[in-house]
Amino acid sequence: AQRVTQPEKLLSVFKGAPVELKCNYSYSGSPELFWYVQYSRQRLQLLLRHISRESIKGFTADLNKGETSFHLKKPFAQEEDSAMYYCALERNAGGTSYGKLTFGQGTILTVHP
Amino acid sequence: DGGITQSPKYLFRKEGQNVTLSCEQNLNHDAMYWYRQDPGQGLRLIYYSQIVNDFQKGDIAEGYSVSREKKESFPLTVTSAQKNPTAFYLCASTVTRGRGTGELFFGEGSRLTVL
Repeated sequence: AQRVTQPEKLLSVFKGAPVELKCNYSYSGSPELFWYVQYSRQRLQLLLRHISRESIKGFTADLNKGETSFHLKKPFAQEEDSAMYYCALERNAGGTSYGKLTFGQGTILTVHP
Repeated sequence: DGGITQSPKYLFRKEGQNVTLSCEQNLNHDAMYWYRQDPGQGLRLIYYSQIVNDFQKGDIAEGYSVSREKKESFPLTVTSAQKNPTAFYLCASTVTRGRGTGELFFGEGSRLTVL
């Protein structure tokens, strides 16, 4: 069975400090991973996806298959980064897995001025 | 204004009553999903539908039912058989382009409280 673990429920940093939100997964197949974010009073939305190798709002995430991790990083945190962050894994089930995501428990990031 | 609309935003139910949560999308997305969000547990998949008139159980389907009679609509009924229905419910949709490429678009959610 697949599992996504975000070990930190809460994470606090000061503005300008580096931030890393941890995500570990357990999955027997080839994982496709995502980070979703929910800002205050906004909908849950996609931040970035592993397959795109992209950097969004200064955030990057590298898939480490050896450590089964997909940590989210940003070198200099901003106050507007304060939000709830979810790591998610897309299951592979014969091509019908789209949108069938397994989510982690979420990490609330607070960036202090 | 394109997007996903969930209603009602807040709903109170007495024990033993069924309630139906509405989810409508005008994004022309094929696939729609219902997730349940509980504190400290993340989101868990209840039901999903990848095409009209077809739907599949997710991880926690017991006590829930859905229908997909129209592409735009995917209502969720929380039945009296659901043992712990008080939760925040999120509806989502996506275009099925290929594995790992999809982006789930979420509604604003419906908060159900059982009295």
